[in-house]
Amino acid sequence: AQSVTQPDIHITVSEGASLELRCNYSYGATPYLFWYVQSPGQGLQLLLKYFSGDTLVQGIKGFEAEFKRSQSSFNLRKPSVHWSDAAEYFCAVGQTGANNLFFGTGTRLTVIP
Amino acid sequence: DAGVIQSPRHEVTEMGQEVTLRCKPISGHDYLFWYRQTMMRGLELLIYFNNNVPIDDSGMPEDRFSAKMPNASFSTLKIQPSEPRDSAVYFCASSPPFRTEAFFGQGTRLTVV
Repeated sequence: AQSVTQPDIHITVSEGASLELRCNYSYGATPYLFWYVQSPGQGLQLLLKYFSGDTLVQGIKGFEAEFKRSQSSFNLRKPSVHWSDAAEYFCAVGQTGANNLFFGTGTRLTVIP
Repeated sequence: DAGVIQSPRHEVTEMGQEVTLRCKPISGHDYLFWYRQTMMRGLELLIYFNNNVPIDDSGMPEDRFSAKMPNASFSTLKIQPSEPRDSAVYFCASSPPFRTEAFFGQGTRLTVV
């Protein structure tokens, strides 16, 4: 059975500091992996996705993520966080592309001045 | 394109009443998904359609929930009768034919009192 684990419920970082949000997945086949961001009262916006190929993927808003098959991980990174990055971040795995996405429980990011 | 459009944005209803949530997917997208978000269970896929046909409704919690997609530009999620435990944010999402990304609406916040 597929599952997604985001071990950090809440992370606080200072503006300008680097960020890494962890995501581990369990899936029998080659996964389709996604990171979404949700601002308060809003829907989910796709940051980036991995289907195949280069294991380091670039997304919007300066985010990137690296797929590591050996560690079953797809961690999200940003070198310098902005106050506007404060939101909830969800990692997701799909069976066939964006179908039937299975989401992690999310990581809430707080950015302090 | 205006994106995925959901209505209403907020709904407050009394227990036992029928509730209908509406969704207009992005034009040209042939996949439509209904998700529910709660604090306890996170984001869960309820049902999804392909070309207006329900493909997987295994996430629908019980018979009180039903979803329809009468045409490519409209879907409804109905709860009858509603119960307080149905209180959640319900998201609709749509995906293009190659399923490379699911685009989410802004959600309907349902409160059943």
